[in-house]
Amino acid sequence: TQLLEQSPQFLSIQEGENLTVYCNSSSVFSSLQWYRQEPGEGPVLLVTVVTGGEVKKLKRLTFQFGDARKDSSLHITAAQPGDTGLYLCAGAVSGGSNYKLTFGKGTLLTVNP
Amino acid sequence: DAGVIQSPRHEVTEMGQEVTLRCKPISGHNSLFWYRQTMMRGLELLIYFNNNVPIDDSGMPEDRFSAKMPNASFSTLKIQPSEPRDSAVYFCASSSYVDWGNEQFFGPGTRLTVL
Repeated sequence: TQLLEQSPQFLSIQEGENLTVYCNSSSVFSSLQWYRQEPGEGPVLLVTVVTGGEVKKLKRLTFQFGDARKDSSLHITAAQPGDTGLYLCAGAVSGGSNYKLTFGKGTLLTVNP
Repeated sequence: DAGVIQSPRHEVTEMGQEVTLRCKPISGHNSLFWYRQTMMRGLELLIYFNNNVPIDDSGMPEDRFSAKMPNASFSTLKIQPSEPRDSAVYFCASSSYVDWGNEQFFGPGTRLTVL
């Protein structure tokens, strides 16, 4: 069973601060996705990283996939209250034409105005 | 497109009752996933279908849980009999092609409470 550990579990910061959340595993993944989930809604995809060492930027969010494809980080610059939510990482394991995602438990981020 | 549709949004039932959750995936998507989310265990994959065929049901907790996908536009997750420990938010998600990191589109979820 592939397990994804996310840290920290909870994070409360002030508007304008920077933050980094982590997603770690002992397993190698074909790709890794980051989702954000708001209360009462389903997760929404933010980014997919595929290549070891890959860095992707989405406005103030920077995502990095570890060289060995076992870990990932999400860095947010100048956080805003709209960034509040549950951030989930999910590792994809592909076998032939089938694949499934294994999700971490998430980091619950609160950005206070 | 309306996105993934789930019903009901909330369900409160008593222990021992049968519960049926429904999902309509995004038109054209060929993969459908059922997840369960709790504070303790996070988001867990229960079962997924490709082209209406169940591929992996290893996440289904026990025989009380069953899922069907009679056609490309409809799926059900049934719990019979329900127990208090089944209380959770159940999500359905669909994807357009089973490939490396294809985006899964999630529905709004069904919050199930078993008393």
